[in-house]
Amino acid sequence: GAVVSQHPSRVICKSGTSVKIECRSLDFQATTMFWYRQFPKKSLMLMATSNEGSKATYEQGVEKDKFLINHASLTLSTLTVTSAHPEDSSFYICSARPGQGILTSSGNTIYFGEGSWLTVV
Amino acid sequence: AQSVTQLDSQVPVFEEAPVELRCNYSSSVSVYLFWYVQYPNQGLQLLLKYLSGSTLVKGINGFEAEFNKSQTSFHLRKPSVHISDTAEYFCAVSDQRGFKTIFGAGTRLFVKA
Repeated sequence: GAVVSQHPSRVICKSGTSVKIECRSLDFQATTMFWYRQFPKKSLMLMATSNEGSKATYEQGVEKDKFLINHASLTLSTLTVTSAHPEDSSFYICSARPGQGILTSSGNTIYFGEGSWLTVV
Repeated sequence: AQSVTQLDSQVPVFEEAPVELRCNYSSSVSVYLFWYVQYPNQGLQLLLKYLSGSTLVKGINGFEAEFNKSQTSFHLRKPSVHISDTAEYFCAVSDQRGFKTIFGAGTRLFVKA
């Protein structure tokens, strides 16, 4: 089946620094990727929709300048948490949607990465 | 816009008993429906999905769900649970164009011996 890989799986960074999380579709091209954030024991909140070659669409309440999303290729999207603070500590998950005509036998499913744990100290 | 309501935040059940996790959704457009499971400190795993066709959908690990359009529900069921089914279960809905997926708040299934 289709695989989405996130890296790093766990990262600890100092307050005030920036950290980048990568989301890669390993065996398909993803025209659209989504970034989610999950607080402990809470549900997943959609942060933004990332389309290859264009600016990301952010959900209401998500700071664009703090959570920079880049979707530079059909297999890679990155989320950069800038000037991280302890309250940014969370579990971040990406998902990817195969492009038109690709993996149609999958029934138009989107595929999730394993997630990345960010701890800001 | 879509929304998802999972009616139970926690469901305790004894091993080998049946279980139903409830999910209701609202949407002004046609949607796809999903159930995901998340084990502690892990990512999401797709249990099953409804895209079209038969309203009874069978998934992995013995789970099944039934899509009821009139009641806008997509309840998850398993006839006999195991200790290993203890996890967080998320119902999710996505529109059929952009595939933006919205998750419910989650239901913690706790299986007791």
